[in-house]
Amino acid sequence: GAVVSQHPSWVICKSGTSVKIECRSLDFQATTMFWYRQFPKQSLMLMATSNEGSKATYEQGVEKDKFLINHASLTLSTLTVTSAHPEDSSFYICSAKDSYEQYFGPGTRLTVT
Amino acid sequence: SQQGEEDPQALSIQEGENATMNCSYKTSINNLQWYRQNSGRGLVHLILIRSNEREKHSGRLRVTLDTSKKSSSLLITASRAADTASYFCATDTTNAGKSTFGDGTTLTVKP
Repeated sequence: GAVVSQHPSWVICKSGTSVKIECRSLDFQATTMFWYRQFPKQSLMLMATSNEGSKATYEQGVEKDKFLINHASLTLSTLTVTSAHPEDSSFYICSAKDSYEQYFGPGTRLTVT
Repeated sequence: SQQGEEDPQALSIQEGENATMNCSYKTSINNLQWYRQNSGRGLVHLILIRSNEREKHSGRLRVTLDTSKKSSSLLITASRAADTASYFCATDTTNAGKSTFGDGTTLTVKP
């Protein structure tokens, strides 16, 4: 099946810095990708829909200026957590859909100290 | 709020027993998917069932969908210790891949 990769798989950063997470569809093109966040022992919450060549669509309560999404090509979407704070520590997962089904990346664990 | 609610929140069984998890949702869907997540890891796709399907099988997994009741169930037969994980249902109302996840069921299979 199709593969979605994420990089990095884990990252530790200091409070106030920015972190970029990449999501790539390796063997298919995705005009739309999705970013989710998962706090410990909780479910996945959709943050935003990343649209190739246009602005991302954010879910209610998600700050677009804090979570910058860029979908520069049909195989790459990036999520930048700006001015990260400890409460942003979470597991970030992206997904993309080909013609048949949705594929999830392995996730990126962000720890902000 | 989450589209899906799962029941039970936690389930503990002995190896060899069957495990049944239920998912209820609120609005009409195009498809429903079940995922497994081991602690601290990513999602593993288990089964996708479309709105016009009532039952699907994959190995020891059996998924049912009742659109009239807006509910789905995942049955794992002859459970193994390796089945210990969290299980999530996710609904897609747009067929565009935008999934809304349930709260999940944490399954513990004791050897």
